[in-house]
Amino acid sequence: GAVVSQHPSWVICKSGTSVKIECRSLDFQATTMFWYRQFPKQSLMLMATSNEGSKATYEQGVEKDKFLINHASLTLSTLTVTSAHPEDSSFYICSARVSGGPYNEQFFGPGTRLTVL
Amino acid sequence: AQSVAQPEDQVNVAEGNPLTVKCTYSVSGNPYLFWYVQYPNRGLQFLLKYITGDNLVKGSYGFEAEFNKSQTSFHLKKPSALVSDSALYFCAVSNQAGTALIFGKGTTLSVSS
Repeated sequence: GAVVSQHPSWVICKSGTSVKIECRSLDFQATTMFWYRQFPKQSLMLMATSNEGSKATYEQGVEKDKFLINHASLTLSTLTVTSAHPEDSSFYICSARVSGGPYNEQFFGPGTRLTVL
Repeated sequence: AQSVAQPEDQVNVAEGNPLTVKCTYSVSGNPYLFWYVQYPNRGLQFLLKYITGDNLVKGSYGFEAEFNKSQTSFHLKKPSALVSDSALYFCAVSNQAGTALIFGKGTTLSVSS
């Protein structure tokens, strides 16, 4: 099956620094990737939809200047948390949509645990 | 607006007994329904999906789910639970192919030996 990787799997950073999270589709091309955020014992909340070669579409309430998304190729999307603060600590999960086919199924990455001190 | 409800925060069953994890949904148009499982500090693992066709969908690890249009439900079932099935289960829905999924809040399944 299709595999999506995320790097790093976990990261600890100081408040005020920026952190970049990568999401890669390893064996398929993904014109669209989605970024979700999950707080402990809560559901996944969609943050943004990332389309290759164009600007990301952010959900209401998500600061686009704080959560920078770049989808420069068909296999890579990055999420940069700028000037991170402790309240940004969360589990970030990406998913990638398979281009083409009868149904564009999504495959999820393993997630990245961000802890901001 | 689309929404998914998982009415139970936790489901407890004994090993070997059947299990059901409930999910109801609200979408405009035809629903695309999914079940995912998440183990601690891990990403989501796909279990099964309903797009069209037979209302009974069989998925991974012996799980199945039944799409009921009149009740707008998509309950997850397994005839005989295993301790290793203990995890967090998410139901998700979209109304268009390839769009982002809307997730339920999740149900923690605890299977006791």
